[in-house]
Amino acid sequence: SQQGEEDPQALSIQEGENATMNCSYKTSINNLQWYRQNSGRGLVHLILIRSNEREKHSGRLRVTLDTSKKSSSLLITASRAADTASYFCATARSNTGNQFYFGTGTSLTVIP
Amino acid sequence: DGGITQSPKYLFRKEGQNVTLSCEQNLNHDAMYWYRQDPGQGLRLIYYSQIVNDFQKGDIAEGYSVSREKKESFPLTVTSAQKNPTAFYLCASSINGEQPQHFGDGTRLSIL
Repeated sequence: SQQGEEDPQALSIQEGENATMNCSYKTSINNLQWYRQNSGRGLVHLILIRSNEREKHSGRLRVTLDTSKKSSSLLITASRAADTASYFCATARSNTGNQFYFGTGTSLTVIP
Repeated sequence: DGGITQSPKYLFRKEGQNVTLSCEQNLNHDAMYWYRQDPGQGLRLIYYSQIVNDFQKGDIAEGYSVSREKKESFPLTVTSAQKNPTAFYLCASSINGEQPQHFGDGTRLSIL
């Protein structure tokens, strides 16, 4: 498969804890993006990290990228019940024009 | 407000029937995409379009067709050749192939 793979598939934590999810991919990329999907809704873009960047922050989100290992991680700090959703990584491949490849997602449940 | 609108939210198809899912955006984006999402799965690319009057097949184009006659519109037809059409269909747009995608809220298609 050309898609990325998120790990773990499901994660359940208490409110206030940190949540970490990982993404691995197979080919060279121009950038990697993380998206969130609430149940029955479309995806919402969270953060984009370019292939020449190693870490990026946005509010309570921290994303890292290791191109040598073809992996990325998304850390959500001080989680809230409203963070309950599925999280997907997507890669913009460097030689396929306008194609994105989405991972299989991590389902996060934050228990109040 | 700018955004991307999918309609209808729910759609039922009879055996042998073609159905068309609507996707409209007022974000002035050049690129538009159609994805299929099965329960607990990631997104799979059906078709994408980088510019008006041009589109390319994605990974699972068989049984589907699209048109891009206007920049704002990218309708998807699920033909009778698609034997397993029950899924959640998501439309997205972006400025170009590497920038974040904006998603609609999806159409859930079921078979009668």
